[in-house]
Amino acid sequence: LAKTTQPISMDSYEGQEVNITCSHNNIATNDYITWYQQFPSQGPRFIIQGYKTKVTNEVASLFIPADRKSSTLSLPRVSLSDTAVYYCLVGRTNSGYALNFGKGTSLLVTP
Amino acid sequence: DTGVSQDPRHKITKRGQNVTFRCDPISEHNRLYWYRQTLGQGPEFLTYFQNEAQLEKSRLLSDRFSAERPKGSFSTLEIQRTEQGDSAMYLCASSIDRDNQFRGGYTFGSGTRLTVV
Repeated sequence: LAKTTQPISMDSYEGQEVNITCSHNNIATNDYITWYQQFPSQGPRFIIQGYKTKVTNEVASLFIPADRKSSTLSLPRVSLSDTAVYYCLVGRTNSGYALNFGKGTSLLVTP
Repeated sequence: DTGVSQDPRHKITKRGQNVTFRCDPISEHNRLYWYRQTLGQGPEFLTYFQNEAQLEKSRLLSDRFSAERPKGSFSTLEIQRTEQGDSAMYLCASSIDRDNQFRGGYTFGSGTRLTVV
C-alpha cells in the first residue's frame, strides 16, 4: 500500500480557501487517490476521488500533478462546519484492496 | 436505504466478557470492511469481505476477534475475552466493486464505541 504523508494540523479563518497537500511518492499505476472527512464520533465521509489532473465536485477540488506523487485537496471558502480531520488515501484497484487511513490532517476553522 | 447501520452505538463491557457488533451495509454493496479507531488515530483496517467471503485479515485481528458475513449481507464482529486495549471505535464500511476495479469510496457507518472496564 502506498504510504501517504499529510500535515498533522492546519488552521484557517472562515471564508478562506484551504489547500491540504498529501505526498504519496510510491503511488502505483492502478492507484486512485481518495479523500475523506471525519467529524468527532462519526465515521469518515467520502469527499472526492481522482486518478490524475483535476477533479471537482460540489464540495471540493482535487489537484493531481502529472507525476501523481502528491495531491492537493482544495476546500473553497471554508466555514466553521468544515472543522474536521481530513484523510488522504491511496489504493490499488486489484483484489486485496484495503486501505489504512494514517493520522490525517486536523483542520480548525475559526471566525 | 439510509446508509450503513451499526449496532449498538455504544457498548460498555467488563474485561473478559465477549461482545458482538453488527453492521448492515448498503444493500447493493458487495464489499464490507471493519476498521478500528482509537483516539487521535486514523481508522485501522481489520478485515474485509467480498460478498460472504472474508478476503483479507489484518495482523491486528488477533485470534480473539472473529468476523462473519454469512449471507453476504450483514456482518458481525465478535471479540472474545475482551481486554482494556480493545476499547476503541469499531467502524464498518461498505463499497461496491465491479471487476476488481474500485470506484468511488467507502460509505462508513457511525461506529460502535466499545469501552472495556
